Amino acid sequence: EAQVTQNPRYLITVTGKKLTVTCSQNMNHEYMSWYRQDPGLGLRQIYYSMNVEVTDKGDVPEGYKVSRKEKRNFPLILESPSPNQTSLYFCASSLRGTGNIQYFGAGTRLSVL
Amino acid sequence: SQQGEEDPQALSIQEGENATMNCSYKTSINNLQWYRQNSGRGLVHLILIRSNEREKHSGRLRVTLDTSKKSSSLLITASRAADTASYFCATDGRDSSYKLIFGSGTRLLVRP
Repeated sequence: EAQVTQNPRYLITVTGKKLTVTCSQNMNHEYMSWYRQDPGLGLRQIYYSMNVEVTDKGDVPEGYKVSRKEKRNFPLILESPSPNQTSLYFCASSLRGTGNIQYFGAGTRLSVL
Repeated sequence: SQQGEEDPQALSIQEGENATMNCSYKTSINNLQWYRQNSGRGLVHLILIRSNEREKHSGRLRVTLDTSKKSSSLLITASRAADTASYFCATDGRDSSYKLIFGSGTRLLVRP
């Protein structure tokens, strides 16, 4: 089954403790991206990747890192999480870019205490 | 920067009625897409309309695009309780075609 898989689905952590949210897709998609969703603000793009080893900043990249070493995986790294990064995070992928249908993961709800 | 803004923010209708949601954006675009999100879950793609298209249909969904007004509308006809969800437009601008920018969404409630 074609899907985008995020892990974990729920995470509670403390300020400053490094964490990684994984994202994997099995559709051989070139484009992958991360979003955060906060009440009243819709989805805001954090980072995106056009292909392996090609990443770029979205609208809200501060405090996040990403890597794209393999086509299927696009982990989101919070080196030193802070409470303002408490949010619902989504990973998405598409065949080639923003002109294609985006397939979303189920989301990761993160709380930073 | 927020590109798309949806209107209204919330909409409550009776089952069987039509629901219309509007999206406005700020800069020239390549494409506009509509997505649906059931409470707290992942987004599901509904329709993609390209900048040179004016109207598109998919089942009970009808999307229009007016590039001169920088706006789009999503019409759901003969709504059902199962249509209850949040609906988002997303645009990729011609000046930054690798970024996808979402609006803040319209929360639709369809009462049985």
